[in-house]
Amino acid sequence: EVQLLESGGGLVQPGGSLRLSCVVSGFNFSGHAMAWVREAPGKGLEWISTLNGGGDSASYAESVQGRFAISRDNSRSTLYLQMNNLRDDDSAKYYCASRISAAAFKWFDPWGQGTLVTVSS
Amino acid sequence: DIQMTQSPPSLSASVGDRVTITCRASQSIISYVNWYQHKSGKGPKLLIYASSILKSGVPSRFSGSGSGTEFTLTISSLQPEDVAIYYCQQCYSIPLTFGPGTKVEIK
Repeated sequence: EVQLLESGGGLVQPGGSLRLSCVVSGFNFSGHAMAWVREAPGKGLEWISTLNGGGDSASYAESVQGRFAISRDNSRSTLYLQMNNLRDDDSAKYYCASRISAAAFKWFDPWGQGTLVTVSS
Repeated sequence: DIQMTQSPPSLSASVGDRVTITCRASQSIISYVNWYQHKSGKGPKLLIYASSILKSGVPSRFSGSGSGTEFTLTISSLQPEDVAIYYCQQCYSIPLTFGPGTKVEIK
């Protein structure tokens, strides 16, 4: 069974940092691009970042560019999101997801259950 | 950035009803649309990719259609377990963007 388990969320002050982790089991982790998506309270889903299977090509949403960094350790089947200079509007539930592609089509499947990040003084 | 809109924002229907959710893109995205179901307290689940391809294991009452700028998700016979928020998402270009969601409830 494929499982994605996020951790590392919590309460942090504005300007602070957190590192989220996503441990994956049940599929060939290094063969898949991975992504982070967040859901702020009362808002919809927002794509944050995607990283290819080799870990050397990443893309970011403008809202986190320069503050967040995605990385992965394929030997540990783990995806990371380093979040720096956090702001109130970064408060959200953060989900990791596998990014599947076929031809030019891409989709997220499966997803983890999420980890909650609260930025507040 | 490609903006995605959805209508209606919410709906309430009876068990067995046919339900249709519409998703519109701010520019043509051909068939690069996916649909997800998000139940409270869980991670989102993929229902349909490439506009109309049903993910294996998803009940056949779910279907997707459309191309260009207008897309639809249809539930042919609404079931109690379908209560969720449904999101469309474009994968035509970065940044990947989601619609605002449609909340589906049982009347």
